[in-house]
Amino acid sequence: GEDVEQSLFLSVREGDSSVINCTYTDSSSTYLYWYKQEPGAGLQLLTYIFSNMDMKQDQRLTVLLNKKDKHLSLRIADTQTGDSAIYFCAERDSGYSTLTFGKGTMLLVSP
Amino acid sequence: KAGVTQTPRYLIKTRGQQVTLSCSPISGHRSVSWYQQTPGQGLQFLFEYFSETQRNKGNFPGRFSGRQFSNSRSEMNVSTLELGDSALYLCASSSGDSYNEQFFGPGTRLTVL
Repeated sequence: GEDVEQSLFLSVREGDSSVINCTYTDSSSTYLYWYKQEPGAGLQLLTYIFSNMDMKQDQRLTVLLNKKDKHLSLRIADTQTGDSAIYFCAERDSGYSTLTFGKGTMLLVSP
Repeated sequence: KAGVTQTPRYLIKTRGQQVTLSCSPISGHRSVSWYQQTPGQGLQFLFEYFSETQRNKGNFPGRFSGRQFSNSRSEMNVSTLELGDSALYLCASSSGDSYNEQFFGPGTRLTVL
């Protein structure tokens, strides 16, 4: 079945760049997403990328997709303490609305 | 545009009881999906409803059920609650089209004692 893997924890200093990595197994994944979850809150969609794209930039966020290796990354430039949260990678097959999520990466930004 | 709303936000039940959770999607959205989030299993898909029909279902026992009304609002029901049902239940709303950006509600935190 489909599987999405992420590293569990990342710690960076304020002002540095953060890179969160994700690997997935479903070769038919059409859309890949990054969500952010703050304590006690639901999921906030940060950005997404279509599987026919290699890169997408959205302000401080850069998503890189290596479809051959089934590897997705999210780079946050100039990381701020407000970016501290859990980040989820998710993939979706074009035939369904179901999202398959990774376990999440906890990003801790220290001043 | 108002976001996805879920009620109640917090719920405490005891084993054996049943519970109903509600989700109101973004206006105009016809698809509602439900997810269970636990520390051990992470986020797992429960089911999706589109235009009052269940379109997809995850791997959960029959104690978990749902429905969708003509105004796209959705409810999920869990019968004969077990301790392991304690979780954050998240609802996601989307247009249901081939590309459907899913927007999540704040969730309902269910605690089973």
